[in-house]
Amino acid sequence: EVQLVESGGGLVQPGGSLRLSCAASGFTFSTYWMHWVRQVPGKGLVWVSRINSDGSSTNYADSVKGRFTISRDNAKNTLYLQMSSLRAEDTAVYYCARHQRDYYYGMDVWGQGTTVTVSS
Amino acid sequence: DIQMTQSPSSLSASVGDRVTITCRTRQSINRYLNWYQQKPGKAPKLLIYEASSLQSGVPSRFSGSGSGTDFTLTISSLQPEDFATYYCQQSFSTPPLTFGGGTKVEIK
Repeated sequence: EVQLVESGGGLVQPGGSLRLSCAASGFTFSTYWMHWVRQVPGKGLVWVSRINSDGSSTNYADSVKGRFTISRDNAKNTLYLQMSSLRAEDTAVYYCARHQRDYYYGMDVWGQGTTVTVSS
Repeated sequence: DIQMTQSPSSLSASVGDRVTITCRTRQSINRYLNWYQQKPGKAPKLLIYEASSLQSGVPSRFSGSGSGTDFTLTISSLQPEDFATYYCQQSFSTPPLTFGGGTKVEIK
């Protein structure tokens, strides 16, 4: 079964750091681009970051650029999001998602999400 | 950045109704538009990619159309399990990937 499972969410103080993980199974992880997407409860979906299949190219939303780092370990079939200098507005459910084969297509596999709460 | 405008933001419909949701952009995105369904407490699910291609396993009552700046998601006969929030997302000009604001489909 194709599956993505996020972990690492939790409560963190403003200015703190957190690392999210996304464990992939059931497909050849190393051949797919991957994304992080977040959602404030009751609000819409917001793209956060993406990484290409070998990890050599990354992109970020302006709101997290310089604070978040996406990475992957293809040997461990795991995607990461290192978050630092966290702000209250980073509070959200964070989803990892797999990009379809074609560059212009969508995200066809999603994890269940992990909740990050930034609060003192 | 390409802004996505969905309408309506919410709608009420009955089982069996034909439902249409619209997504518009100010600049052309060719056909690189995807549609997702999200139920409360669950992850989004890809329904349609490249404007009109049905994702594997998605019922045929879902269809997408459009190109350029105007796109439509249609549910031909609304079923109880279709009550959810629907999002469009463009893949033409990235980064960033951008989503519409969502359309909540509720039971009338």
